[in-house]
Amino acid sequence: GESVGLHLPTLSVQEGDNSIINCAYSNSASDYFIWYKQESGKGPQFIIDIRSNMDKRQGQRVTVLLNKTVKHLSLQIAATQPGDSAVYFCAENRQYGNKLVFGAGTILRVKS
Amino acid sequence: DTEVTQTPKHLVMGMTNKKSLKCEQHMGHRAMYWYKQKAKKPPELMFVYSYEKLSINESVPSRFSPECPNSSLLNLHLHALQPEDSALYLCASSQDRVGSAFFGQGTRLTVV
Repeated sequence: GESVGLHLPTLSVQEGDNSIINCAYSNSASDYFIWYKQESGKGPQFIIDIRSNMDKRQGQRVTVLLNKTVKHLSLQIAATQPGDSAVYFCAENRQYGNKLVFGAGTILRVKS
Repeated sequence: DTEVTQTPKHLVMGMTNKKSLKCEQHMGHRAMYWYKQKAKKPPELMFVYSYEKLSINESVPSRFSPECPNSSLLNLHLHALQPEDSALYLCASSQDRVGSAFFGQGTRLTVV
């Protein structure tokens, strides 16, 4: 389940299950969104992106959904694997300039 | 080559020292970024260079001084830092308009 408190929200899933990570963004003028995966001691790694003229985009085992009405973004990971364990960040591009701003992040823990 | 290379990987410096962080990319990207990341927090944007010109400065203290000598290189000059400046410093690059921003592995900076 999810928990929110002083620490990053954590999502714990069983290996093989599907994961859904959610993100709320703040700026209705943002026109481009990216999901990043960050493993301990490493830089953020690009997963998938979506532009504001789309509401769904699929990659390999991942799907991003965008709901502009409620300013909500989600990342779905199919058949979650132990290697998916990491912190996941959504990022939004504010329309003025190259300003990529990150959301708070979610820890994904995959139980074997 | 989809790599952004940052050096050094680790740096310990005193509050009176002057040091520089370096970042290099050979993807032909024309936008380069510096981010600061504290533990369990998302990356925070510091500076953006677009076509080798500083386009965004997120009110960063002057003890941090960015430099973009050419389209492939980005430096961050550090002087008279405080212990609270200890963090992971991340460099990223993207096409002119923010597309898939690729991150380096970061420099872990400790100020003593």
